[in-house]
Amino acid sequence: EPEVTQTPSHQVTQMGQEVILRCVPISNHLYFYWYRQILGQKVEFLVSFYNNEISEKSEIFDDQFSVERPDGSNFTLKIRSTKLEDSAMYFCASSARTTSYEQYFGPGTRLTVT
Amino acid sequence: AQSVTQPDIHITVSEGASLELRCNYSYGATPYLFWYVQSPGQGLQLLLKYFSGDTLVQGIKGFEAEFKRSQSSFNLRKPSVHWSDAAEYFCAVGARGTASKLTFGTGTRLQVTL
Repeated sequence: EPEVTQTPSHQVTQMGQEVILRCVPISNHLYFYWYRQILGQKVEFLVSFYNNEISEKSEIFDDQFSVERPDGSNFTLKIRSTKLEDSAMYFCASSARTTSYEQYFGPGTRLTVT
Repeated sequence: AQSVTQPDIHITVSEGASLELRCNYSYGATPYLFWYVQSPGQGLQLLLKYFSGDTLVQGIKGFEAEFKRSQSSFNLRKPSVHWSDAAEYFCAVGARGTASKLTFGTGTRLQVTL
């Protein structure tokens, strides 16, 4: 069964460093998303992406964040200068153009900023 | 703005007992509704979804949920819980007919005693 994959599974970085989180969505999906989950809190939407541009973003997704689909398979989230409060689990999701647009999630990348 | 409330933070049930996890949503029209499950250290797995038609929907692993418009609820049920069902369960709401963001509840952690 096709699935969303994410790399790395765990990333440790120092405050102020740039990180890139990578995702490979399900191959025939057209819509891509990033969410984050701070430890012990709920899953929060960051950004959605369609047709090579951002469709929607939350107030969390400020200028420090960017997304890109550099080729036909990868979808990346870049954090330019990490802060302690960026420590969280980051989930990538994708959906197809179906009736319900259900989103399929990857296993997540745990980002720890020290 | 859409929102989801899961009033039970933590529920403990005995193996073999029935289960009901509560979810209430706030949305201007009839939304898309989802239940996801997250096992420790894992990503989010879609259990079931409602977008139209029969208000009782069946999902994977023997779960079902009932959409009640009058109560703005989408409670998850299982007639007989297995120890492997221990996990965190998230209810989510999305806008109908679009690939827009999901808004998640805070989750309910299910513990199963033998």
